Amino acid sequence: AQSVTQLDSQVPVFEEAPVELRCNYSSSVSVYLFWYVQYPNQGLQLLLKYLSGSTLVKGINGFEAEFNKSQTSFHLRKPSVHISDTAEYFCAVSEGSGGSNYKLTFGKGTLLTVNP
Amino acid sequence: NAGVTQTPKFQVLKTGQSMTLQCAQDMNHNSMYWYRQDPGMGLRLIYYSASEGTTDKGEVPNGYNVSRLNKREFSLRLESAAPSQTSVYFCASSGNGYTFGSGTRLTVV
Repeated sequence: AQSVTQLDSQVPVFEEAPVELRCNYSSSVSVYLFWYVQYPNQGLQLLLKYLSGSTLVKGINGFEAEFNKSQTSFHLRKPSVHISDTAEYFCAVSEGSGGSNYKLTFGKGTLLTVNP
Repeated sequence: NAGVTQTPKFQVLKTGQSMTLQCAQDMNHNSMYWYRQDPGMGLRLIYYSASEGTTDKGEVPNGYNVSRLNKREFSLRLESAAPSQTSVYFCASSGNGYTFGSGTRLTVV
């Protein structure tokens, strides 16, 4: 069975500082990996995804993530954060099966708080 | 550009009451899902439907039933609500990508 561990439940940073949100996964098969963002009282928005190909994935709002198969990690990074990046971030994994049916397993989330 | 529509957005139930959460998608996706979100727990899969006419249990199915009424609609039913089912419920569908609804905030008192 697949699982996801987000190593930090809360990450406080100052505006314009770099940030890394850590995500490790376990699975016995090939995986698809995702990062979602949830702003207060809203639904989930896809930041980026890794399906195959280049291990460095660029997403929206200046975020990027790197898939590291040997480390089973998919850490999310942004070189300079803004106040508006304050939100909860979820890493998710799906076992690669092709097609359109893939159940997502989510991590417990990391609350990113950007302070002025 | 409706995507995935969930109703209602908010609901308060008394313990033992029943209700159905509705979900509809207009993207012609085959697969649909119900997740619940609880503080510090992330999202957990309750049930999913890989295609019209099929449903399967996810990680936390106890206390819930589902119906895939047609390709567009996938409903979640609580037969006898319990305080432990207080949560935010998200419906999603997948085709070429995953789309979430805006959620239903359910409180059971």
